[in-house]
Amino acid sequence: KAGVTQTPRYLIKTRGQQVTLSCSPISGHRSVSWYQQTPGQGLQFLFEYFSETQRNKGNFPGRFSGRQFSNSRSEMNVSTLELGDSALYLCASSQAGAGEKLFFGSGTQLSVL
Amino acid sequence: GIQVEQSPPDLILQEGANSTLRCNFSDSVNNLQWFHQNPWGQLINLFYIPSGTKQNGRLSATTVATERYSLLYISSSQTTDSGVYFCAVNTGFQKLVFGTGTRLLVSP
Repeated sequence: KAGVTQTPRYLIKTRGQQVTLSCSPISGHRSVSWYQQTPGQGLQFLFEYFSETQRNKGNFPGRFSGRQFSNSRSEMNVSTLELGDSALYLCASSQAGAGEKLFFGSGTQLSVL
Repeated sequence: GIQVEQSPPDLILQEGANSTLRCNFSDSVNNLQWFHQNPWGQLINLFYIPSGTKQNGRLSATTVATERYSLLYISSSQTTDSGVYFCAVNTGFQKLVFGTGTRLLVSP
C-alpha cells in the first residue's frame, strides 16, 4: 500500500503570492489533516477534513484554507504569502474515526522570499 | 489549551546505549502517539498508546494516563535512531497537540 504522498516536495515563492499544496492519503483513508512545522513554533495543527467536510480547525489566519475531494485527496492553499509562512507543511491521513493512528507524508518545504 | 512537554530536549548517545525519553501532558487526553522525524522530515508513527505498555523491537513505550505522562525506551541504540522524537496527544477528532521534541544523536 502506498503511503501518504505530498507534492511538491519543495517550493519557493515570493511575498504576496499564493500557493497550493497537494496531499494524497493512504488508500481507504478518509481523514486528512494538515500541520505546519517551524523551528520557532514547532508542529501546529492547521485543519482536518473528513468526507469533504472540515471537522476541526487550528488557530491560523483565514489566508490558510483547504479542501478535500470526493477521492479523499486534499489541497491546502495559502494566499498573500508572508515571510513567516516559510515552513514544512505536513499532511497526515487516518481511516476515519477520531483519535486514530496518524500516518504522515514527507511534507512540502515552502520557502517565502 | 493542553500543554505537552518533553525531556530531555537533546540527547547524545554512543551506539549500543539505552535511553528513556519522557512526555508530560497537562490534561486528560484521548490518546497519545510517539513519532520519529527522520532527517528528510517525515514523521514515522512509532506507537499509538493511550495507556499501558507496548513493544516494537528495540523500542517500547509506556503511558500512565492517570499520572499524565508517557515514556519511550530505546535500547541498544543505533545511528539510524538519530533524529527528533515527538509525542503528540489527541484532544478532539484528529487534532494532535505535539510536544517540543527530543533531538537524539547516536554516534558510532
